[in-house]
Amino acid sequence: GQQLNQSPQSMFIQEGEDVSMNCTSSSIFNTWLWYKQDPGEGPVLLIALYKAGELTSNGRLTAQFGITRKDSFLNISASIPSDVGIYFCAGQSPPTGTYKYIFGTGTRLKVLA
Amino acid sequence: NAGVTQTPKFRVLKTGQSMTLLCAQDMNHEYMYWYRQDPGMGLRLIHYSVGEGTTAKGEVPDGYNVSRLKKQNFLLGLESAAPSQTSVYFCASRTDFGQDEFYEQYFGPGTRLTVT
Repeated sequence: GQQLNQSPQSMFIQEGEDVSMNCTSSSIFNTWLWYKQDPGEGPVLLIALYKAGELTSNGRLTAQFGITRKDSFLNISASIPSDVGIYFCAGQSPPTGTYKYIFGTGTRLKVLA
Repeated sequence: NAGVTQTPKFRVLKTGQSMTLLCAQDMNHEYMYWYRQDPGMGLRLIHYSVGEGTTAKGEVPDGYNVSRLKKQNFLLGLESAAPSQTSVYFCASRTDFGQDEFYEQYFGPGTRLTVT
């Protein structure tokens, strides 16, 4: 099945550093969702984006819906140890109201104290 | 408010055995989904439902059946388990209202299934 290209696949960073990750697709989306998954848990919704160019924040997290509608970016500022986990992007293609979400393969984040 | 719950959390089956996974949501959501998650594969849609009494196939439906007899529950069945069905299974739900929240999908904690 179709999947999003999510990068990087994994990253180690020092506590306090900023983190950036992105997702790209060959097709346009009308919605982008960003999730975090902790070990042994289900994905938790962090940010939802609905319009091209939209920039949305949730605490130290900021996500953007790319202008081309084929990509999205997630930034984490001043990382802390509890940011460790896997971050997934998910997109939904037009037409509006369809059921299907396409998921990225995840970015595994490890924060060194 | 429990959100999306799944039972059981863990299960070990022998090849050929059957079982049912239960998903329940208390958010009055119309849409419910079953996914499986395998290492390096992301989340893949097995089956979904757009309302009580309706079900439809996702991208990897073979070997699974589902039922949505009540709006709040979505059951996933394995009639004859195979080792290839060893995976983590997630249920999710979303509303169908005509608002931005329409697209927000919420997940349960997962069921870890091993088939030997």
